[in-house]
Amino acid sequence: ELKVEQNPLFLSMQEGKNYTIYCNYSTTSDRLYWYRQDPGKSLESLFVLLSNGAVKQEGRLMASLDTKARLSTLHITAAVHDLSATYFCAVDRGQFYFGTGTSLTVIP
Amino acid sequence: EAGVVQSPRYKIIEKKQPVAFWCNPISGHNTLYWYLQNLGQGPELLIRYENEEAVDDSQLPKDRFSAERLKGVDSTLKIQPAELGDSAVYLCASSLGGYGTEQFFGPGTRLTVL
Repeated sequence: ELKVEQNPLFLSMQEGKNYTIYCNYSTTSDRLYWYRQDPGKSLESLFVLLSNGAVKQEGRLMASLDTKARLSTLHITAAVHDLSATYFCAVDRGQFYFGTGTSLTVIP
Repeated sequence: EAGVVQSPRYKIIEKKQPVAFWCNPISGHNTLYWYLQNLGQGPELLIRYENEEAVDDSQLPKDRFSAERLKGVDSTLKIQPAELGDSAVYLCASSLGGYGTEQFFGPGTRLTVL
């Protein structure tokens, strides 16, 4: 069974700082997705990564995929309060396998 | 474009009672998914439909859970009887279908079993 691990599970960071969330998975896949979930809300799609070396950027967030290392990263640049949410990665192996989630709190 | 619609948004029932959740996917999306999300965890797939056919229901607890997708559009997920451990958020998602297509999620139904 595919295992998807994210770290850290909880992240508290100050506004203006940079940080990276990591998503490791146990079985080969070249398709990975990042979602954001606000409390009590559903999942909002952030990035779709469909090949080794894929890099996508939107605003202060940048995601990358290294299929050989079975690793994806979500990099946060100059964090702002509005980025506070839980972030999930999901690996596509015919079905989606979600990570444990990273709860991000950005402190003013 | 309307997103995935789910109802009800919240449901509180006593254990051993039946409950049903409804999902209307994005128009034109052939693939529909039901997920279970426990507090503090990522969603876990319960069942996937391609049109009206359930193509992956290996993680659906069939002794008490059932699902249907009549006419390949709307879907209903039922639990009978509900147990305390069923308290969770039930998410519906849809996609155009096929490997590597993005899934779009509904707002979910938060179930509380007392």
